Amino acid sequence: EIVLTQSPGTLSLSPGERATLSCRASQSFGSSYLAWYQQKPGQAPRLLIYGASIRATGIPDRFSVSGSGTDFTLTISRLEPEDFAVYYCQQFGWSPTFGQGTKVEIK
Amino acid sequence: QVQLVQSGAEVKKPGASVKVSCKASGYTFTAYYIYWVRQAPGQGLEWVGWINPSSGDTNSAQKFQGRVTLTSDTSISTAYMEMSRLTSDDTAVYYCARDRPPDYWGQGSLVTVSS
Repeated sequence: EIVLTQSPGTLSLSPGERATLSCRASQSFGSSYLAWYQQKPGQAPRLLIYGASIRATGIPDRFSVSGSGTDFTLTISRLEPEDFAVYYCQQFGWSPTFGQGTKVEIK
Repeated sequence: QVQLVQSGAEVKKPGASVKVSCKASGYTFTAYYIYWVRQAPGQGLEWVGWINPSSGDTNSAQKFQGRVTLTSDTSISTAYMEMSRLTSDDTAVYYCARDRPPDYWGQGSLVTVSS
């Protein structure tokens, strides 16, 4: 099983700042099988980006991803008020796994 | 529009089984996988399994193998997740979602296991 470790656990930032979220895998896998989700309290997760930086429908371009192999990064270029949430990375190969999440909170 | 509508909340006793349904609409049911993901209270997301409604092929996380059964009825565009031998650790919101990776999600079904 591929274990995904996200860091930091919590990121305290102000609107307008840049957010950098890390996702590290226990073994290498193709970035085409990586996805990122956003989840707000009481809501189902929302797909943000998958594969090689393919943004899901309606996701603004302030969200971007980078990395390969075992180290991946989600970047939110300028935080908007609606971006404060929990973010999960996922590898969606034959046996998918999720990271434990990073909470982006208002500083 | 794509919709996944799940069955309602359930309360079960330890050792019992639960079956959650997920009715799809707005797309061709057999064209996309159905994912099942759960989330315990205050915790992160955990993949349970997936089913290919077209072929009936399934795969589930190793920790659930032997305890979870994923099925689908293409005639009514509905997927099912049944979990047996429930314990309090299975208390969670169970989500169904479309495709790999999941792009549309159901509203979630709360399963509470309590004596």
